[in-house]
Amino acid sequence: DIQMTQSPSSLSASVGDRVTITCRASQSISRWLAWYQQKPGKAPKFLIYEASSLESGVPSRFSGSGSGTQFTLTISSLQPDDFATYYCQQYNSYFPTFGQGTKVEIK
Amino acid sequence: EVQLVESGGGLVKPGGSLRLSCAASGFTFSTYTMTWVRQAPGKGLEWVSSISSWNTYIYYADSVKGRFTISRDNAKNLLYLQMDSLRAEDTSLYYCAKAACNSGSCYSTYWGQGTLVTVSS
Repeated sequence: DIQMTQSPSSLSASVGDRVTITCRASQSISRWLAWYQQKPGKAPKFLIYEASSLESGVPSRFSGSGSGTQFTLTISSLQPDDFATYYCQQYNSYFPTFGQGTKVEIK
Repeated sequence: EVQLVESGGGLVKPGGSLRLSCAASGFTFSTYTMTWVRQAPGKGLEWVSSISSWNTYIYYADSVKGRFTISRDNAKNLLYLQMDSLRAEDTSLYYCAKAACNSGSCYSTYWGQGTLVTVSS
């Protein structure tokens, strides 16, 4: 199985801050990476596919980059609605795997 | 509007069985791969199983292979997960999700609200 490791596991940030979350794959996954946002008590929300393609309706302050084994999710200016847990997921193999999540908290 | 509504969760004893259902609407169900993803209380997301639009391919996580069976009824817009030989570690919120795929490997574009399965004596 392909292992996905996110860092950090949690971070504290203020509204307006630039936030970067890293996701590393245990082997190359080309650009087959998705990102999700999950708020407490809610289902995950799909944000980004193919490492950098924004799902329709997702604010442009979200962006993704990377290829191979190293990927990032960036929120250019953190908004109150963005405080949540973020997960990456590889879909390079028939057996998708998720990172352990990064919780973005209010500073 | 896409809607996915899971049902069938509940409390079951170790070794028992449950069948989860997911009612889909708002899209052409028969043309999409569907997945089940679970989340143990306070934990992260774990992919469980995927089924392609006309059952061409079906995949399971190693943790459930041989115990869980995914299926679908395209005439009724329903997705199922038959769960047998349940263990305490299967306790989770189970989400069904509409998928988009790259040559058989998929990500989940829309998620239901989940149904809770608790395995305990």
